[in-house]
Amino acid sequence: AQSVTQPDIHITVSEGASLELRCNYSYGATPYLFWYVQSPGQGLQLLLKYFSGDTLVQGIKGFEAEFKRSQSSFNLRKPSVHWSDAAEYFCAVGPVTGGGNKLTFGTGTQLKVEL
Amino acid sequence: KAGVTQTPRYLIKTRGQQVTLSCSPISGHRSVSWYQQTPGQGLQFLFEYFSETQRNKGNFPGRFSGRQFSNSRSEMNVSTLELGDSALYLCASADIQGNNEQFFGPGTRLTVL
Repeated sequence: AQSVTQPDIHITVSEGASLELRCNYSYGATPYLFWYVQSPGQGLQLLLKYFSGDTLVQGIKGFEAEFKRSQSSFNLRKPSVHWSDAAEYFCAVGPVTGGGNKLTFGTGTQLKVEL
Repeated sequence: KAGVTQTPRYLIKTRGQQVTLSCSPISGHRSVSWYQQTPGQGLQFLFEYFSETQRNKGNFPGRFSGRQFSNSRSEMNVSTLELGDSALYLCASADIQGNNEQFFGPGTRLTVL
């Protein structure tokens, strides 16, 4: 069965510092990979996605993520964090073929930004 | 295009009642998925509907059901509510060509007393 692990439940960074959120997945084949962000009381907003091709993908709000097949990882990065980035971040995987639109999510990483 | 809309945004019910939540997908999207989000279990997939047919189903009891209409709008129903059904219910829509890229609505916060 597929699974997604986000080992960091909470992360605190200072505004302007760099950020890396970790994500590892277990899947039968290379899945589609996503990062979503959720602000309190809100739905999920897609930050970026990996389907194929270049393993470094750029997303919105200055985020990027790197797919590493050998490590089954898809870590999210941002070079300089802004206070407005404080939110919860979810990594998710979805089937490439035959699985419809079912996403499996990690447990999320709560990001706190210190001013 | 307008985003995914969900109604109502907040709902309070008592144990044993039933509830119906509604989701209107982005115009042109034919796939609608539902997820339950709780602090203890996180985000869990409930089911997906595509062209009025259930295409995927998660591991939830039969009390959770859904349907999709010809205009792609979807409803989910929970019967015989339990305290543990208190959650944020998120709806997501996707274009068939979207490679699993789903767009989420703001959710319906259900509280069961």
